Amino acid sequence: EAGVAQSPRYKIIEKRQSVAFWCNPISGHATLYWYQQILGQGPKLLIQFQNNGVVDDSQLPKDRFSAERLKGVDSTLKIQPAKLEDSAVYLCASRNTLNEQFFGPGTRLTVL
Amino acid sequence: DQQVKQNSPSLSVQEGRISILNCDYTNSMFDYFLWYKKYPAEGPTFLISISSIKDKNEDGRFTVFLNKSAKHLSLHIVPSQPGDSAVYFCAASANGGYNKLIFGAGTRLAVHP
Repeated sequence: EAGVAQSPRYKIIEKRQSVAFWCNPISGHATLYWYQQILGQGPKLLIQFQNNGVVDDSQLPKDRFSAERLKGVDSTLKIQPAKLEDSAVYLCASRNTLNEQFFGPGTRLTVL
Repeated sequence: DQQVKQNSPSLSVQEGRISILNCDYTNSMFDYFLWYKKYPAEGPTFLISISSIKDKNEDGRFTVFLNKSAKHLSLHIVPSQPGDSAVYFCAASANGGYNKLIFGAGTRLAVHP
């Protein structure tokens, strides 16, 4: 079974630029999550999708972050404009019917 | 407000011995708990979970214990192997795991020969 795919793996941008990350969950997983992991901390949920609908985006900084999952499969997370404090690893996860979440390798973002 | 706490940032254990990683939580609505292992440059890998209706769950060398009255869980690895060296995250969720996961800050385990 293929795992959660994410791209790119690494991205370096300057502050005020925009960036987008892509995620393809495990086939058949209806629930998809985006997490932000800052160095030295555990992952923090940004947004949760059930199929193509948003379940929880209470922690998403909506003035600069956006996410979509148009066809209920793959998803994109965008930051515009980026700030220095957005430097982190962005993790995508999908959930099976046993409520176990499986994570992708993450995208490491550095904002200069 | 840290709802899930892993108070030991690091742990060093000799190969073959037991590793015990601890986790405390504050939210009494949490009813589903998971442990993840993370190697550098990789995403967290699911290890083992436990529902609040149980107090123990075992999978090979890994056992998770849940003490609901103390709001404490622990992960035991027996015997520890050098390949177990990684960062271990405790996570908790309400609503049987349907709600979002709240993660602790992680404990870095080093298993040395």
